Amino acid sequence: DVKVTQSSRYLVKRTGEKVFLECVQDMDHENMFWYRQDPGLGLRLIYFSYDVKMKEKGDIPEGYSVSREKKERFSLILESASTNQTSMYLCASSTTGRAQETQYFGPGTRLLVL
Amino acid sequence: SQKIEQNSEALNIQEGKTATLTCNYTNYSPAYLQWYRQDPGRGPVFLLLIRENEKEKRKERLKVTFDTTLKQSLFHITASQPADSATYLCAPSAGSSNTGKLIFGQGTTLQVKP
Repeated sequence: DVKVTQSSRYLVKRTGEKVFLECVQDMDHENMFWYRQDPGLGLRLIYFSYDVKMKEKGDIPEGYSVSREKKERFSLILESASTNQTSMYLCASSTTGRAQETQYFGPGTRLLVL
Repeated sequence: SQKIEQNSEALNIQEGKTATLTCNYTNYSPAYLQWYRQDPGRGPVFLLLIRENEKEKRKERLKVTFDTTLKQSLFHITASQPADSATYLCAPSAGSSNTGKLIFGQGTTLQVKP
């Protein structure tokens, strides 16, 4: 079974802090994604990566950056956390080719910025 | 812009009945469409995928239809059970080619009463 893990289930940070959210997958997947999920808005794509050191902006990249130094790990960075970044953050991975269509999600990190 | 709409109102049905959830998309033609299940506090889990050249797909008690003329997918759960209570997310591919990216609807919450 594919396993996607996220470093924290719950996180409380102060406005202005630098926040790191880590995601690790154990299935050698090429593609990794970061989403945020807010009530009534669904999942919105922040960034994705097709390969090590490759990244592309999603629909809402402002205020975020990412890092992918190793294939299995994809980090989301909030450079200076703000209260409007309070949300549920979900990481996902998928392989390439036709099978890349299915995404496997981690359990999510619920971030509260005070 | 590409837009995905699911019924935001919760769907309440009696155990044993068939639940039908709707997903409408506008302004583009996705190559495929997926449905995911999400339980509270957890990441989404893949259920079914249907391609643009397929009318219908089945898996056990689940059935998905894809009407490219109406730009609509219907998701059916037959003989519903309380354990089917969850939020169901529609996720068409982001564009008409296979990039591995998805656009998620906001989800419809299903409540099955015993």
